[in-house]
Amino acid sequence: EADIYQTPRYLVIGTGKKITLECSQTMGHDKMYWYQQDPGMELHLIHYSYGVNSTEKGDLSSESTVSRIRTEHFPLTLESARPSHTSQYLCASSPGQGLSYEQYFGPGTRLTVT
Amino acid sequence: QKEVEQNSGPLSVPEGAIASLNCTYSDRGSQSFFWYRQYSGKSPELIMSIYSNGDKEDGRFTAQLNKASQYVSLLIRDSQPSDSATYLCAVTSSGAGSYQLTFGKGTKLSVIP
Repeated sequence: EADIYQTPRYLVIGTGKKITLECSQTMGHDKMYWYQQDPGMELHLIHYSYGVNSTEKGDLSSESTVSRIRTEHFPLTLESARPSHTSQYLCASSPGQGLSYEQYFGPGTRLTVT
Repeated sequence: QKEVEQNSGPLSVPEGAIASLNCTYSDRGSQSFFWYRQYSGKSPELIMSIYSNGDKEDGRFTAQLNKASQYVSLLIRDSQPSDSATYLCAVTSSGAGSYQLTFGKGTKLSVIP
């Protein structure tokens, strides 16, 4: 069973605030990912990391930034939240070796920017 | 541009019937294939993985892979109302050093009691 955690689960915040969405996993996975998903819509990869001190932007342009200082921790930060950032943010991790590329998702953070 | 195509649905089946979900992919070098279930408002949950041609069964779920046709499917036998969800097909990239999955847009399944 995958052990990946996200906090907060729900966040309502005003425009212009700085926010950090937390993601942690206890499986020792090197590969971690952030996705953005609007209700009923497809997943969009916004950031990924293949190990400590490695981060890359994904397919969807995002104003957020990420860091990977520890293997188990992959936080996402929005310096100045806007209503267009309202969405669900999903964190995932993967063993990423052999054929084991499956990704395990956290419960998600539902962000609303007013 | 690597693509994964799924019928968007909704696919409606009566309780107890077999639900058949289909997925095609464009990257001929893909090696690993996954099915995820996503309930409304929840995160995707891995339900099946398949790596070689043929069938793989797990309980009421059977995944089928045909690499020559670039086709992967998921069969759900004895469908239950609790199976009502969106099912996502995910495929690995063949690119060197790529550890990403390409996800389809999902097929919404409704099981009618």
